[in-house]
Amino acid sequence: DAKTTQPNSMESNEEEPVHLPCNHSTISGTDYIHWYRQLPSQGPEYVIHGLTSNVNNRMASLAIAEDRKSSTLILHRATLRDAAVYYCILRGYQKVTFGIGTKLQVIP
Amino acid sequence: DTEVTQTPKHLVMGMTNKKSLKCEQHMGHRAMYWYKQKAKKPPELMFVYSYEKLSINESVPSRFSPECPNSSLLNLHLHALQPEDSALYLCASSPGDRLLRDNNQPQHFGDGTRLSIL
Repeated sequence: DAKTTQPNSMESNEEEPVHLPCNHSTISGTDYIHWYRQLPSQGPEYVIHGLTSNVNNRMASLAIAEDRKSSTLILHRATLRDAAVYYCILRGYQKVTFGIGTKLQVIP
Repeated sequence: DTEVTQTPKHLVMGMTNKKSLKCEQHMGHRAMYWYKQKAKKPPELMFVYSYEKLSINESVPSRFSPECPNSSLLNLHLHALQPEDSALYLCASSPGDRLLRDNNQPQHFGDGTRLSIL
């Protein structure tokens, strides 16, 4: 099964951009890359997803490498409310593979 | 507030008890999921229902028994659990696809049931 690798933790200053990396070197052609975040005592919240092209939405941007073996979630201006665990996930047909998650700390 | 509602929020049970976890959504989604999450770990997929039929069972022990009585409801029946089954149990839903090719669909998660086995 495809796996994802993420740093355990990262720090960012408030109102600065944040780049959260994810490696998925064994990704298959039909796997979509999804990102979710989870606050304490809450369920995961969808952030963004993509297949090959870079994607933007109101929450974040997703940059996908040309060979699809890595991706980066970009938060353009971190706020204190963005402090959470961010999961990089590969979703294939009938399978879901979560990474270990990156705990993002936002410093005021 | 989430659009996927899970009850109860907390549950403490003994190893000989029988209990059920409930999940409800009214978004018209036809795929529903159960995950187990241990502390400081990512969620692990347990079961997937697609159009009310079980489509994935990730080798979960038989002491966990899922049920999907209709398109809005998902239950997880628990019996003879072990202390290591203590965890946060998360339910999620997505629009679904009859050909099971729903990997481009976001999932909506509930806030989970925190289960403690004594």
